[in-house]
Amino acid sequence: EVQLVESGGGLVQPGGSLRLSCAASGFTFSSYEMNWVRQAPGKGLEWVSYISSGGGSIYYADSVKGRFTISRDNAKSSLYLQMNSLRAEDTAVYYCARELGYYDHFDYWGQGTLVTVSS
Amino acid sequence: DIQMTQSPSSVSASVGDRVTITCRASQGISSWLAWYQQKPGKAPKVLIYGASSLQSGVPSRFSGSGSGTDFTLTISSLQPEDFATYYCQQANSFPRTFGQGTKVEIK
Repeated sequence: EVQLVESGGGLVQPGGSLRLSCAASGFTFSSYEMNWVRQAPGKGLEWVSYISSGGGSIYYADSVKGRFTISRDNAKSSLYLQMNSLRAEDTAVYYCARELGYYDHFDYWGQGTLVTVSS
Repeated sequence: DIQMTQSPSSVSASVGDRVTITCRASQGISSWLAWYQQKPGKAPKVLIYGASSLQSGVPSRFSGSGSGTDFTLTISSLQPEDFATYYCQQANSFPRTFGQGTKVEIK
């Protein structure tokens, strides 16, 4: 059974940092592209970042470029999001999502981890 | 960036109704479109990918159509478990973008 489990969320002050993790199981993690998607309270879905299966190709939303860094450790079947210079508008539930190569849709999602940026 | 615009933003419908949601892309995306369903407090779930391919395990009352810039998600006979928010998402290019969502509510 495919499972994605996020962790690392919490309360952080503006300007602070946080590192999210996504532990994958039930599939060959190194064969799949991965993404982070977030959802602010009461709002819609916003794509955050993408990383290719080998880590050689990375993309970011303009809203996080230069502040967030996506990475992966295929040996540990884990995906990461390092978030620096956090702002109030980064407050959201962060989901990791597996991308299936056929039409690049997100076929499995984690349960999400809440990040709250507030003083 | 490709903008995705859904309509309507919300729809009130009864069990058994046919419901249609549209999604328009600001530029052509061929068939690189997916539809997701999200229930409160839960992660999104993919329903349709490639504009018209039904995800395994999704009931056949869900269908998708369209290509280029105009797409449609249809629920042929609304069931109680279908009351949720639906999002379209383009996978043609980065940044990936979602529509603003359509909430399907009980009439």
